[in-house]
Amino acid sequence: DAGVTQSPTHLIKTRGQQVTLRCSPISGHKSVSWYQQVLGQGPQFIFQYYEKEERGRGNFPDRFSARQFPNYSSELNVNALLLGDSALYLCASSLDTTDTQYFGPGTRLTVL
Amino acid sequence: AQSVSQHNHHVILSEAASLELGCNYSYGGTVNLFWYVQYPGQHLQLLLKYFSGDPLVKGIKGFEAEFIKSKFSFNLRKPSVQWSDTAEYFCAVRGLNQAGTALIFGKGTTLSVSS
Repeated sequence: DAGVTQSPTHLIKTRGQQVTLRCSPISGHKSVSWYQQVLGQGPQFIFQYYEKEERGRGNFPDRFSARQFPNYSSELNVNALLLGDSALYLCASSLDTTDTQYFGPGTRLTVL
Repeated sequence: AQSVSQHNHHVILSEAASLELGCNYSYGGTVNLFWYVQYPGQHLQLLLKYFSGDPLVKGIKGFEAEFIKSKFSFNLRKPSVQWSDTAEYFCAVRGLNQAGTALIFGKGTTLSVSS
C-alpha cells in the first residue's frame, strides 16, 4: 500500500507570496494532520482534520489555513510568507483523530 | 500545556553499545506515547507506541520503551546498537481527555553510531 504522499517535494518562494502544499493520506485514513519542523527542532502541530472538519489547531497565525477534501486529501495554505516560515512541512494521516499517525516525506519550503 | 523533554541532544556510541534515550512529558491525564525515528534522507517512521496495558513496549529493530507513569517518563532502549541505527529520534505524547489530539514532540536526539 502507498504511504502518505506530499507535493511538491521542494518549494522556493519570496517574502509576501502565498503557497499551497498538498497531502494524500494512506488509503482508508480519514484524518490528516499538518506539522511544521524547523531545523534542529521536533515537529510542531499546525492543524488536524477529520471527515473534512477541523478538529484541532496549533499556535500558528491566521496566515496559515487548511482544508480537507471529500477524498480525504488535504491542502495547507500559507499567506504573506515570512522568512521564518522556512521549514519542512509534514503531513500525517491516521484512521481517526486518536489513532497512530503516519508521516509523509514532507515539503521543504524555503522563503527568500 | 503539554510539553516533552528529551534530555540528550546528541549521543555518540560504538557498535554493540547499549542505548537509552530519555523522554519526560508534562501532562496530568491519560496519554498515548510514541517514539519516531528519522533515518538520514528518510521520513519520520514509527518505532513503537504505548496506548495502554503492559508498560514495557517492544518496537521494530529491537527497540523497546518503558512507560513509568509515576515519573512521567517513556525512555527508549536498545541492548546493542548497530551502525544502521544512526538517526534522529523523537519522543511524542498525545494527551487524551482534552480538546484536540495533536502530537507534541520533543526536540529530538541525534544518535551517531560508529562502526
